[in-house]
Amino acid sequence: DTAVSQTPKYLVTQMGNDKSIKCEQNLGHDTMYWYKQDSKKFLKIMFSYNNKELIINETVPNRFSPKSPDKAHLNLHINSLELGDSAVYFCASSPSGPTSGRIYEQYFGPGTRLTVT
Amino acid sequence: KQEVTQIPAALSVPEGENLVLNCSFTDSAIYNLQWFRQDPGKGLTSLLLIQSSQREQTSGRLNASLDKSSGRSTLYIAASQPGDSATYLCAVKTGANNLFFGTGTRLTVIP
Repeated sequence: DTAVSQTPKYLVTQMGNDKSIKCEQNLGHDTMYWYKQDSKKFLKIMFSYNNKELIINETVPNRFSPKSPDKAHLNLHINSLELGDSAVYFCASSPSGPTSGRIYEQYFGPGTRLTVT
Repeated sequence: KQEVTQIPAALSVPEGENLVLNCSFTDSAIYNLQWFRQDPGKGLTSLLLIQSSQREQTSGRLNASLDKSSGRSTLYIAASQPGDSATYLCAVKTGANNLFFGTGTRLTVIP
């Protein structure tokens, strides 16, 4: 069974549309993340959720809104898509919380390649 | 703010060679350092995790070292194989569960 899964794998859409990317982990982890990988392959964290609560919100336009219905899911909704949103988006999870000081590794999903035309 | 740099950006070696990938970071206050592999069009696979109190970790033909005081880590790959061709990323973990990634080294192992 896949530990961290994302859907869809590919997403092609037009500017101005609203879309969502779903992420699910079956590892029982407390913390989930969204990363964006740009055309230069540089990964940047966007959001981090611990037990359904937002912990990290880096400099991300408010058109991006994460939703965590439960601990195992962290979905990413994007409003009014722009050309610059084209990238690969990775979801990840880890068993540690942000205040625990514990040091566990993160497990990544396969990524969702978003293309905005 | 933490900055992670990887050198070289790309590397081509003949099959069988031993090689070293380098990673440097600016803030030594890290919890751990993780090496990942990324295959074209695919997600990240975690290779090795070194805690801040450790000096190295080994897994098969891979050996990662960490010198926290100097802000450096190396990934040593022994007896390289064509299947090792991929982009290798290092990432350091700071507080608040944040991972800072380097830009990666694209490795090509020539049969």
